[in-house]
This record gives sequence, structure tokens and C-alpha cells, in this order.
Amino acid sequence: DTAVSQTPKYLVTQMGNDKSIKCEQNLGHDTMYWYKQDSKKFLKIMFSYNNKELIINETVPNRFSPKSPDKAHLNLHINSLELGDSAVYFCASSQYIPGGNTEAFFGQGTRLTVV
Amino acid sequence: AQSVAQPEDQVNVAEGNPLTVKCTYSVSGNPYLFWYVQYPNRGLQFLLKYITGDNLVKGSYGFEAEFNKSQTSFHLKKPSALVSDSALYFCAVRGSSSNTGKLIFGQGTTLQVKP
Repeated sequence: DTAVSQTPKYLVTQMGNDKSIKCEQNLGHDTMYWYKQDSKKFLKIMFSYNNKELIINETVPNRFSPKSPDKAHLNLHINSLELGDSAVYFCASSQYIPGGNTEAFFGQGTRLTVV
Repeated sequence: AQSVAQPEDQVNVAEGNPLTVKCTYSVSGNPYLFWYVQYPNRGLQFLLKYITGDNLVKGSYGFEAEFNKSQTSFHLKKPSALVSDSALYFCAVRGSSSNTGKLIFGQGTTLQVKP
């Protein structure tokens, strides 16, 4: 069983479209994240939810909107896609412990290409 | 501010030789340090972490890492490299004062092991 699964794995779409990426984890974790990996492989956090509550919201265009219907799911919706949104988006999860010594588990990534 | 630096974009070693991938960090509070590996077109896989205790941490696939507080470093090592170790390696840090679980990643180091 896949611990953190994302769909779709590949997404090719035109500029201006709206798209969603879904993420599910079956690890029983209470915290989920979205990271963006750019063309230089640099990883940057975008959002994090803990028990369905948004706890991290980095400087991300408001065209990006995360939604967490429950602890096991964190979806990412992107409006009005732009060329610069092309990247690999990773979902991750971890169990929050005060002090934060737990590792995060990552999904396989969604390669988004905007044409 | 928390930060991680991986000073080498690429490390080349011959199969069977020891390897070192360097990482230095800056964090408030005590550091929690992590190493992840990313194979082509795959997600990040957790290798090992340092929380407290022994400065030498052992992880998956024969990797280990040495925590050095005075040098604020957490270098990844392996006594004998395999061609299959060729991948992109990320160091990450989280401060003990973090209340969000956010991981800060280094820029990644590509390890190339040649037969």
C-alpha cells in the first residue's frame, strides 16, 4: 500500500486553465504539506495543514488554494495556470510532535507542465 | 532564520570508494536534521535523521551521517559507494522551536557513482 499517494502523476494543461492535484495518506498522520520543486530541483514548502487547519501559508500566489477535507487528504487547486507554475509538486505527511523530530513522508510527485 | 547549505552541486566517486555529501545548517534551538534521497522521477525517500544522542547516525542502504555541533554540519557518508546510489540527495533541518513541522531543505547534491 502506498503511504502517500498523489494523483495525477503527470498533468499537461494550457495557460489559463484551472486544475487540481489530490493527495491522500494512509499513515494516520495529522499534518500534511505541499512542496514545490522547481526546474533546478530546489524544494520549497507552500502549505501545511494540521488536523485540517492551515498552519503554514508561505508566499504563494492566491491562485493556489489548498483544501483539506479530512486529516488524510490535502488537495491543491490552482486557478488561471501560468507558464511559471510548471514544476513538480510533492505532497508529504508527518505526525506532529511538539519539538518536531518526526520525519516527513513524501508522495511520488505530480509533474505539472503548463503550455 | 533557518537555513541549510549543501556546498556541492555534484559529487563524483568511483564504485567501492567512500563517499561524503556535505551539509551545514543554521537553526534556532536544537536542530533536527534529516537526509532524503530522490531517484529520477521519484519522490523523496527518507534515509536517516539526527534528533539527539550519538553524533553518528545510521540509516537506510548503508548510509550514515555525522552530526557536528561546533561546525553546524551533518555530512552524509557511506564507506563503499554503489552505482545504484547515484541520485539526488537533500539535507533538511527543523528547529526544536518549530511549531509547524516545516522542513527547510538544502539545494540538493547530485551523487554520481561510476563503475
